[in-house]
Amino acid sequence: AQTVTQSQPEMSVQEAETVTLSCTYDTSENNYYLFWYKQPPSRQMILVIRQEAYKQQNATENRFSVNFQKAAKSFSLKISDSQLGDTAMYFCAFMKQNSGYALNFGKGTSLLVTP
Amino acid sequence: DAGVIQSPRHEVTEMGQEVTLRCKPISGHNSLFWYRQTMMRGLELLIYFNNNVPIDDSGMPEDRFSAKMPNASFSTLKIQPSEPRDSAVYFCASSWTIYEQFFGPGTRLTVL
Repeated sequence: AQTVTQSQPEMSVQEAETVTLSCTYDTSENNYYLFWYKQPPSRQMILVIRQEAYKQQNATENRFSVNFQKAAKSFSLKISDSQLGDTAMYFCAFMKQNSGYALNFGKGTSLLVTP
Repeated sequence: DAGVIQSPRHEVTEMGQEVTLRCKPISGHNSLFWYRQTMMRGLELLIYFNNNVPIDDSGMPEDRFSAKMPNASFSTLKIQPSEPRDSAVYFCASSWTIYEQFFGPGTRLTVL
């Protein structure tokens, strides 16, 4: 079974600053996908960014980028120019290739963006 | 598209009662997932369907839980009988590609 660990239960950052959320995972698979999902207070789960393990280039989506270190099994999320609307729970998730698309989530990191 | 639709949004019931949660996936999506979210255990996959067929139900806690998908546009998750430890937020999600799952708003279940 795959284990996804998010070691930071809570984090805080000031508006316009940069913050990095950590995620490590444990797997014997070589081909897989990694995701960051955001859950704001509305409870809606929203995909932030994804990374295919076979790609060496780190994924980027506007202010969100990842640092994917396959050998270290690390997948951190960097949020630049933090905005108040970024306040949410952030979940790291793992998906095996050919697993039927099932996601294995970490416990989440609660991010608070302050003015 | 309206997105994934779940009903009810909130459910309060008493221990021992039957609870049925409903989900309508996004039209055209061929995979459907049921997740449970609690403070203690986080987000757990309960079961998922591909083309209406259950693929993996290893996450279903026990026999009190059952899920069905009679057609491509509807799925139910039933708990019978319910217990206080079943209190959680239950999410339904659907997808047609490996790249993204679309989640519903969730059903907050409270079992007294």
